[in-house]
Amino acid sequence: EIVMTQSPATLSVSPGERATLSCRARQSVSSDLAWYQQKPGQAPRLLIYDASTRATGIPARFSGSGSGTEFTLTISTLQSEDFAAYYCQQYNTGPYTFGQGTKLEIK
Amino acid sequence: QVQLQESGPGLVRSSETLSLTCAVSGYSIRSGYYWGWIRQPPEKGLEWIGSIYHTGNTNYNPSLKSRVTISVDTSKNQFSLRLSSVTAADAAVYYCARKGSCSGGRCSFDYWGQGTLVTVSS
Repeated sequence: EIVMTQSPATLSVSPGERATLSCRARQSVSSDLAWYQQKPGQAPRLLIYDASTRATGIPARFSGSGSGTEFTLTISTLQSEDFAAYYCQQYNTGPYTFGQGTKLEIK
Repeated sequence: QVQLQESGPGLVRSSETLSLTCAVSGYSIRSGYYWGWIRQPPEKGLEWIGSIYHTGNTNYNPSLKSRVTISVDTSKNQFSLRLSSVTAADAAVYYCARKGSCSGGRCSFDYWGQGTLVTVSS
């Protein structure tokens, strides 16, 4: 299976600042990469698919980039509601695998 | 608006079979897309269990394949998960989701149920 590794595990950022989250695949997944946001007690919410396409209703401050094995999720100006866990997921090759997550916390 | 809702027992005895159903509203399963199950043990990450198409075509995570069965009932617009011989390691929140944001036939999970917690008792 394709192992997905996210870094850092925890990221402390102040509101209004920029956050950059990374995701690495052990082998190429082309652009078949999604990012999800999960708040405590809630289901994951699709933010980005195809590495850089925002899902319906997702604010423009969320952007994704990368292809192959290296991917980045950037949140340009952090709002209070953005502090949550973020997961990347590859859907290029089964079994579809998730990263272990990055917890974005308030600094 | 597509909505998914999981249902089933919240407590399963060790060695028995976990059974969950996902009811879909706002979209007909017959119209297409794959539909899947994902689980998340407490305080841990997400694990894809398997997916099914309305024709009944399935694909499973090899790590669970020997114990998993996913089925679909298009007349009720729902799909189901059965996981046999459960152990404490199977305790998790179980989510159903639609694989619906696609490119070239490869899709992310765009709609999710709220999740249901399954505890395994000994």
